Amino acid sequence: DAGVIQSPRHEVTEMGQEVTLRCKPISGHNSLFWYRQTMMRGLELLIYFNNNVPIDDSGMPEDRFSAKMPNASFSTLKIQPSEPRDSAVYFCASSFAGIEQPQHFGDGTRLSIL
Amino acid sequence: EDQVTQSPEALRLQEGESSSLNCSYTVSGLRGLFWYRQDPGKGPEFLFTLYSAGEEKEKERLKATLTKKESFLHITAPKPEDSATYLCAVRSQGGSEKLVFGKGTKLTVNP
Repeated sequence: DAGVIQSPRHEVTEMGQEVTLRCKPISGHNSLFWYRQTMMRGLELLIYFNNNVPIDDSGMPEDRFSAKMPNASFSTLKIQPSEPRDSAVYFCASSFAGIEQPQHFGDGTRLSIL
Repeated sequence: EDQVTQSPEALRLQEGESSSLNCSYTVSGLRGLFWYRQDPGKGPEFLFTLYSAGEEKEKERLKATLTKKESFLHITAPKPEDSATYLCAVRSQGGSEKLVFGKGTKLTVNP
């Protein structure tokens, strides 16, 4: 079974540039989550979708961050403009909501903003 | 606000030396406590879900237990391949699917 697929695995870009992270959830899962992991703050939820609809975006740091889920098999997290403090590992996870199932994570995108 | 605290931050064991990792939590009604394992450069990998005090789950050398305030991950006779960061997360009652994670315990098992 294919797991959660994220791209790119690594991204290095300069401050001010637009960054787009991509995620393909596990087929059949109807909830999708974006997390950010740093040494200081650990793993933090940014936003999650249920049936392609954003449900909780309270973790999104500021207006520079936006996320979309145009269909059940694809989501993007965009940062514009990027800043050095956005450097972190970003994870996407998916699950089947409505029954008690765990979230399954991708291997993340390591983002470095210079 | 839901909170999860894991201890210790790091733990070094010799192969075969059993120990326990702690996860203390405060949550407004627990709807699941989750243990994940994370290897370097990888995403968290699901291990266990516990739902109520007194519940236990086992997988190979790992056993997770739950009380009303904390969970323990017991590691019996660990091997070097058990080296990883172990993360604990809670989901509270209500309709949200949100998980709140602790910062993890980095376990190193020396041969």
